[in-house]
Amino acid sequence: AQSVTQLDSHVSVSEGTPVLLRCNYSSSYSPSLFWYVQHPNKGLQLLLKYTSAATLVKGINGFEAEFKKSETSFHLTKPSAHMSDAAEYFCVKGSSNTGKLIFGQGTTLQVKP
Amino acid sequence: DAGVIQSPRHEVTEMGQEVTLRCKPISGHDYLFWYRQTMMRGLELLIYFNNNVPIDDSGMPEDRFSAKMPNASFSTLKIQPSEPRDSAVYFCASSLTWAGRNQPQHFGDGTRLSIL
Repeated sequence: AQSVTQLDSHVSVSEGTPVLLRCNYSSSYSPSLFWYVQHPNKGLQLLLKYTSAATLVKGINGFEAEFKKSETSFHLTKPSAHMSDAAEYFCVKGSSNTGKLIFGQGTTLQVKP
Repeated sequence: DAGVIQSPRHEVTEMGQEVTLRCKPISGHDYLFWYRQTMMRGLELLIYFNNNVPIDDSGMPEDRFSAKMPNASFSTLKIQPSEPRDSAVYFCASSLTWAGRNQPQHFGDGTRLSIL
Protein backbone atom coordinates (compact mmCIF):
# COMPACT_ATOMS: atom_id res chain seq x y z
CA ALA A 1 0.00 0.00 0.00
CA GLN A 2 1.12 3.51 -0.72
CA SER A 3 2.17 5.49 2.35
CA VAL A 4 3.74 8.69 3.60
CA THR A 5 5.69 8.91 6.84
CA GLN A 6 6.52 12.13 8.59
CA LEU A 7 9.34 11.30 10.91
CA ASP A 8 8.63 13.93 13.56
CA SER A 9 5.25 14.68 15.08
CA HIS A 10 6.55 17.85 16.69
CA VAL A 11 9.46 20.15 15.84
CA SER A 12 10.47 23.16 17.90
CA VAL A 13 12.88 25.83 16.63
CA SER A 14 13.87 29.33 17.63
CA GLU A 15 12.93 32.25 15.44
CA GLY A 16 15.64 32.90 12.86
CA THR A 17 17.02 29.34 12.91
CA PRO A 18 16.63 26.76 10.13
CA VAL A 19 13.63 24.47 9.83
CA LEU A 20 13.76 20.84 8.73
CA LEU A 21 10.62 18.73 8.49
CA ARG A 22 11.24 15.18 7.35
CA CYS A 23 9.11 13.07 5.06
CA ASN A 24 9.53 9.64 3.47
CA TYR A 25 7.16 8.14 0.94
CA SER A 26 6.51 4.72 -0.49
CA SER A 27 8.28 4.29 -3.75
CA SER A 28 6.59 5.11 -7.03
CA TYR A 29 8.00 5.41 -10.49
CA SER A 30 7.11 9.09 -10.74
CA PRO A 31 5.53 10.24 -7.52
CA SER A 32 3.31 13.26 -7.10
CA LEU A 33 4.40 14.91 -3.88
CA PHE A 34 3.15 17.98 -2.05
CA TRP A 35 3.63 19.87 1.17
CA TYR A 36 0.66 21.59 2.74
CA VAL A 37 0.47 23.90 5.74
CA GLN A 38 -2.50 24.31 8.05
CA HIS A 39 -2.73 27.27 10.37
CA PRO A 40 -5.20 27.14 13.28
CA ASN A 41 -8.82 27.27 12.19
CA LYS A 42 -7.84 27.31 8.54
CA GLY A 43 -7.88 24.90 5.64
CA LEU A 44 -4.82 23.30 4.13
CA GLN A 45 -2.76 25.60 1.97
CA LEU A 46 -0.41 24.29 -0.70
CA LEU A 47 3.21 25.17 0.05
CA LEU A 48 4.84 23.46 -2.91
CA LYS A 49 4.62 20.49 -5.26
CA TYR A 50 7.15 18.22 -6.88
CA THR A 51 6.79 18.15 -10.65
CA SER A 52 9.86 16.10 -11.65
CA ALA A 53 11.29 19.12 -13.47
CA ALA A 54 13.81 19.72 -10.68
CA THR A 55 14.78 17.92 -7.51
CA LEU A 56 14.85 21.13 -5.48
CA VAL A 57 11.40 22.65 -5.35
CA LYS A 58 10.77 26.20 -4.21
CA GLY A 59 7.51 27.07 -2.54
CA ILE A 60 5.83 30.00 -0.92
CA ASN A 61 7.07 31.86 2.15
CA GLY A 62 10.69 30.79 1.64
CA PHE A 63 10.12 27.06 1.97
CA GLU A 64 11.92 24.51 -0.19
CA ALA A 65 11.82 20.76 -0.51
CA GLU A 66 14.36 18.39 -1.97
CA PHE A 67 13.29 15.23 -3.77
CA LYS A 68 15.72 12.34 -3.26
CA LYS A 69 14.65 9.28 -5.17
CA SER A 70 17.36 7.02 -3.76
CA GLU A 71 16.19 7.80 -0.24
CA THR A 72 12.46 8.10 -1.09
CA SER A 73 12.49 11.37 0.84
CA PHE A 74 10.96 14.79 0.32
CA HIS A 75 12.13 16.89 3.26
CA LEU A 76 10.90 20.45 3.76
CA THR A 77 13.33 23.19 4.76
CA LYS A 78 13.46 26.89 5.42
CA PRO A 79 16.67 28.80 6.18
CA SER A 80 15.20 31.06 8.83
CA ALA A 81 12.01 30.42 10.79
CA HIS A 82 9.50 33.16 11.42
CA MET A 83 6.90 33.23 14.15
CA SER A 84 4.17 33.07 11.52
CA ASP A 85 5.51 29.68 10.38
CA ALA A 86 4.09 28.01 13.48
CA ALA A 87 1.49 25.60 12.11
CA GLU A 88 0.79 21.99 11.17
CA TYR A 89 2.61 20.69 8.10
CA PHE A 90 1.51 17.76 5.99
CA CYS A 91 3.57 15.80 3.51
CA VAL A 92 1.23 14.37 0.91
CA LYS A 93 1.50 11.94 -1.96
CA GLY A 94 -0.89 11.66 -4.86
CA SER A 95 -2.08 8.13 -5.39
CA SER A 96 -0.70 6.73 -8.60
CA ASN A 97 -3.96 4.98 -9.53
CA THR A 98 -6.84 6.94 -7.96
CA GLY A 99 -7.78 10.55 -7.43
CA LYS A 100 -6.89 10.39 -3.75
CA LEU A 101 -4.22 12.06 -1.66
CA ILE A 102 -2.24 10.06 0.87
CA PHE A 103 -1.45 12.18 3.91
CA GLY A 104 1.37 11.91 6.36
CA GLN A 105 0.49 12.16 10.02
CA GLY A 106 1.46 15.81 10.20
CA THR A 107 4.25 17.70 11.96
CA THR A 108 3.50 20.52 14.35
CA LEU A 109 6.07 23.27 14.02
CA GLN A 110 6.57 25.45 17.07
CA VAL A 111 8.62 28.64 16.70
CA LYS A 112 9.98 30.15 19.89
CA PRO A 113 10.85 33.83 20.16
CA ASP B 1 -9.56 33.85 -8.39
CA ALA B 2 -12.01 32.62 -5.79
CA GLY B 3 -10.93 29.53 -3.95
CA VAL B 4 -13.09 26.72 -2.64
CA ILE B 5 -15.99 28.22 -0.72
CA GLN B 6 -17.64 26.39 2.14
CA SER B 7 -20.65 27.33 4.18
CA PRO B 8 -21.43 27.67 6.95
CA ARG B 9 -18.09 28.27 8.67
CA HIS B 10 -19.51 27.18 12.00
CA GLU B 11 -22.53 25.08 12.85
CA VAL B 12 -23.80 24.20 16.29
CA THR B 13 -26.86 22.02 16.54
CA GLU B 14 -28.51 19.48 18.76
CA MET B 15 -28.23 15.76 18.40
CA GLY B 16 -30.79 14.32 16.04
CA GLN B 17 -31.03 17.36 13.82
CA GLU B 18 -30.23 17.32 10.13
CA VAL B 19 -27.03 19.11 9.13
CA THR B 20 -26.21 20.27 5.60
CA LEU B 21 -22.75 21.46 4.65
CA ARG B 22 -22.18 23.23 1.37
CA CYS B 23 -19.28 23.58 -0.99
CA LYS B 24 -18.55 25.52 -4.15
CA PRO B 25 -15.45 24.20 -5.91
CA ILE B 26 -13.06 26.21 -8.02
CA SER B 27 -14.51 26.76 -11.46
CA GLY B 28 -13.21 24.27 -13.99
CA HIS B 29 -12.09 21.69 -11.47
CA ASP B 30 -13.27 18.19 -12.27
CA TYR B 31 -12.69 16.59 -8.88
CA LEU B 32 -14.35 17.39 -5.58
CA PHE B 33 -13.47 15.85 -2.24
CA TRP B 34 -15.05 15.87 1.21
CA TYR B 35 -12.81 15.33 4.25
CA ARG B 36 -13.34 15.19 7.98
CA GLN B 37 -10.65 16.24 10.45
CA THR B 38 -10.56 15.33 14.14
CA MET B 39 -7.80 15.26 16.73
CA MET B 40 -8.17 11.52 17.17
CA ARG B 41 -8.22 10.40 13.54
CA GLY B 42 -6.64 13.26 11.66
CA LEU B 43 -7.80 13.91 8.09
CA GLU B 44 -10.13 11.32 6.60
CA LEU B 45 -11.41 11.26 3.05
CA LEU B 46 -15.15 10.71 3.10
CA ILE B 47 -16.09 10.77 -0.57
CA TYR B 48 -14.96 12.17 -3.86
CA PHE B 49 -16.60 13.07 -7.14
CA ASN B 50 -15.34 13.25 -10.68
CA ASN B 51 -17.42 15.28 -13.13
CA ASN B 52 -20.26 15.32 -10.57
CA VAL B 53 -20.32 11.53 -10.26
CA PRO B 54 -19.42 9.89 -6.92
CA ILE B 55 -16.37 7.73 -7.48
CA ASP B 56 -15.47 6.45 -4.05
CA ASP B 57 -17.65 6.76 -0.95
CA SER B 58 -15.86 4.11 1.08
CA GLY B 59 -14.90 6.69 3.68
CA MET B 60 -18.47 7.68 4.51
CA PRO B 61 -18.84 6.46 8.08
CA GLU B 62 -22.42 5.22 7.91
CA ASP B 63 -25.78 5.65 6.24
CA ARG B 64 -26.47 8.80 8.19
CA PHE B 65 -24.02 10.54 5.87
CA SER B 66 -24.86 11.38 2.27
CA ALA B 67 -23.28 13.62 -0.34
CA LYS B 68 -24.51 15.00 -3.62
CA MET B 69 -23.14 17.04 -6.45
CA PRO B 70 -26.08 18.20 -8.57
CA ASN B 71 -23.86 20.33 -10.82
CA ALA B 72 -20.25 21.28 -11.37
CA SER B 73 -20.40 24.26 -9.04
CA PHE B 74 -22.12 22.89 -5.96
CA SER B 75 -21.95 19.98 -3.56
CA THR B 76 -23.58 19.14 -0.26
CA LEU B 77 -22.71 16.82 2.59
CA LYS B 78 -25.67 15.89 4.74
CA ILE B 79 -25.84 14.20 8.12
CA GLN B 80 -29.21 12.94 9.25
CA PRO B 81 -29.66 12.36 12.13
CA SER B 82 -26.57 14.00 13.61
CA GLU B 83 -24.76 12.61 16.65
CA PRO B 84 -22.18 14.17 19.01
CA ARG B 85 -19.45 11.95 17.55
CA ASP B 86 -19.94 13.71 14.22
CA SER B 87 -18.41 16.85 15.71
CA ALA B 88 -15.38 17.70 13.59
CA VAL B 89 -14.10 20.09 10.98
CA TYR B 90 -15.33 19.18 7.52
CA PHE B 91 -13.28 20.27 4.53
CA CYS B 92 -14.14 20.41 0.89
CA ALA B 93 -11.38 20.38 -1.71
CA SER B 94 -11.25 20.47 -5.48
CA SER B 95 -8.65 19.71 -8.11
CA LEU B 96 -8.23 20.10 -11.84
CA THR B 97 -7.49 16.42 -12.31
CA TRP B 98 -6.37 13.60 -10.16
CA ALA B 99 -3.56 13.97 -7.66
CA GLY B 100 -1.46 11.31 -9.36
CA ARG B 101 -0.78 13.77 -12.14
CA ASN B 102 0.89 16.39 -9.95
CA GLN B 103 -2.32 18.33 -9.57
CA PRO B 104 -2.81 19.59 -6.04
CA GLN B 105 -6.10 19.74 -4.25
CA HIS B 106 -7.26 23.15 -3.14
CA PHE B 107 -9.00 23.25 0.22
CA GLY B 108 -11.73 25.43 1.60
CA ASP B 109 -11.52 26.90 5.09
CA GLY B 110 -13.78 24.19 6.47
CA THR B 111 -16.98 23.97 8.47
CA ARG B 112 -16.54 23.50 12.20
CA LEU B 113 -19.44 21.33 13.28
CA SER B 114 -20.46 20.85 16.89
CA ILE B 115 -23.27 18.47 17.77
CA LEU B 116 -24.55 18.93 21.32
